[in-house]
Parts: sequence; structure tokens; C-alpha cells
Amino acid sequence: QVQLVQSGAEVKKPGASVKVSCKASGYTFTSYGISWVRQAPGQGLEWMGWISAYNGNTNYAQKLQGRVTMTTDTSTSTAYMELRSLRSDDTAVYYCARGYEVNDYWGQGTLVTVSS
Amino acid sequence: EIVMTQSPATLSVSPGERATLSCRASQSVSSNLAWYQQKPGQAPRLLIYGASTRATGIPARFSGSGSGTEFTLTISSLQSEDFAVYYCQQYNNWPSPIAFGPGTKVDIK
Repeated sequence: QVQLVQSGAEVKKPGASVKVSCKASGYTFTSYGISWVRQAPGQGLEWMGWISAYNGNTNYAQKLQGRVTMTTDTSTSTAYMELRSLRSDDTAVYYCARGYEVNDYWGQGTLVTVSS
Repeated sequence: EIVMTQSPATLSVSPGERATLSCRASQSVSSNLAWYQQKPGQAPRLLIYGASTRATGIPARFSGSGSGTEFTLTISSLQSEDFAVYYCQQYNNWPSPIAFGPGTKVDIK
């Protein structure tokens, strides 16, 4: 069965960086993209971008350009999302999901808290 | 940039009743529209894609319709497990940016 398992919760100080991992299993990793979506406490879903697990091509949300980097390691079927220069409004649950435009399987979410 | 709106923000429905949720795009997205369900503390779950195609394992009481700028998600007879927040998402002109609507919360009347 398809599974996406994310890394655990993180607490970071403003200005720091965080790197969240997403390990895929149950399907051919390079046949799908991985999208990242975040959700601030009590808020809606915000699309962050996607990465092709086939060739590493990326497409980032404009508001995150320059602060976010998405990568994959095909040897371990793992996707990564790194967010730099963290601010308090980056506090959110970060989800990875299979697919580019339509996301049929999701990770369990990783809470990233940014606090001094 | 395409902006998605949803109405109402909250919909109070009794179990067994029909629920109709609306989603509007600021410009045409053709049929490139998906619906997701999210329960508290859980990841979103794909319900509908292509405006009207149910995802694998989604019960037939969920149906989607519309094209262009106006879309509807209908739950024909609400079950207890259907009380949740529902988000629409456009993915027109991929790889252009994807946008979610703000969500509609369906709660118990």
C-alpha cells in the first residue's frame, strides 16, 4: 500500500532553517511528483510547490521563492523540503503528498513551530 | 493568479440531509478542479478530481459538478463521518501555481 511517512515535529528559532523529510513506499517513486502543502494553526491549506521525483524539476509558490528548496533522494525514495530564514508565520503543519496537481496520498504531517 | 472562493464558510446540516457546497474561481479553470475532505488532526483526503470524478474508494454519496468558474460538491445524505472541512483546489494550466479555496466547514445541526 502507498505510504508517505514524514519526519517528526521541529521547534526552531526565527532565522533558522528546517528540513522535513517524506519517505515514500508502496509505489514507484520516480513515476510521481511530490507536492508540499502547509497549514497554519486553524487556517486553510497553502500550496508550497512540487518536485518531480523523476528529474528533480521544481515549481515553487512565488511567495516562498528564495527561501524554499525541495529535493529528492531516489535511492531511498525520500523527498525533502527545506525552508530557510524562518519567521513566526511559518509555524504550521507541513504535508507532503503524492502527485503534481491532484494529490491522492498524503503524509501524516510535520508540525514546525517557530518561536524565540 | 487564480483566486478560489468557497461558500458558505460554515454549513450546518442534520445527519441524513443533503449538503451542497460551492466553489468559485476568479477565472476559468476548465474542469481542473479537485475537492478534499479534512477532519481535525488528519491530513486532507482526495474526494473528487476533474470536477466530477470520484477518487478511489470514495462513496457514491459524494458527487462533483461544474466547469469554468462555478463548481459544486454535493453530499447526498450526510453520514456522521462526513462532518469535516472541505477544500476545493484548482490546477489549471499546470505547471502554473495551484490554489486552494478557504474551505467550508460542515457541522452538525
